[in-house]
Amino acid sequence: DAKTTQPPSMDCAEGRAANLPCNHSTISGNEYVYWYRQIHSQGPQYIIHGLKNNETNEMASLIITEDRKSSTLILPHATLRDTAVYYCIVRVEGNDMRFGAGTRLTVKP
Amino acid sequence: GAVVSQHPSWVICKSGTSVKIECRSLDFQATTMFWYRQFPKQSLMLMATSNEGSKATYEQGVEKDKFLINHASLTLSTLTVTSAHPEDSSFYICSARQGFAEAFFGQGTRLTVV
Repeated sequence: DAKTTQPPSMDCAEGRAANLPCNHSTISGNEYVYWYRQIHSQGPQYIIHGLKNNETNEMASLIITEDRKSSTLILPHATLRDTAVYYCIVRVEGNDMRFGAGTRLTVKP
Repeated sequence: GAVVSQHPSWVICKSGTSVKIECRSLDFQATTMFWYRQFPKQSLMLMATSNEGSKATYEQGVEKDKFLINHASLTLSTLTVTSAHPEDSSFYICSARQGFAEAFFGQGTRLTVV
C-alpha cells in the first residue's frame, strides 16, 4: 500500500472549518483513501473513504485531487470534540489497515 | 457505523500471568479481525490478522506463542497475552470487517502488568 505524509499537528478555531491535508504521491489506481480519527484513549473511528470522486457524509468531506496524489479531509464546523489524531491511510480494498503517525488536530475555543 | 465491542476496557495483572481480551462484532459478521498494539504517544501497530476459522497471520516481530489469537466464530476473536511482563503493558485494540468493507474498531483495552 502507498505511503502517506501528513503534518504532525494543526490547530483550528472552534466553529471554523478544519482542513487536514494528506499526500500520497505513490498511490496506485486501485488504492482507496481512508480517514480515521482517534480521540485520546479510544479506538480509531472511521470517518470517510474514497477512490477518486469527492465524498461527503454527516461527519466530513473528502476532496481528492484529480491526479489522486493528495487529498484533504474537511470538517466543516470544528468543535472541541473533534480534537483528535487524524489518520490518512491508503490501501487496496481487502488489505489490512496500517497507520502512520497522523495529524494531531487541536480545536481551540 | 457498525459496532465492535472489546472487553475488558482495562485490566491490571501480575507479571507471569495470562490475560484474555475479547473482541466482538455486535451487528455484522466479521470475516476478518485485526489486533493492534499502541504504546504511549505512538501510532497503532498491527500485530496480527485473523480470518474466521483460520490460524492468525502474525506481523514480523510478534511472537505467536506469546500472543495467542483465536477467531472461532464470525462475531468473536480473542487475544491472550501469555506470561505477561511489564513490557507488554500497552493499549490493545481490535478491529473487524465484513468482506472488503471498511474496518471498525473496538474501544481498546489498556493492559497494565505489575
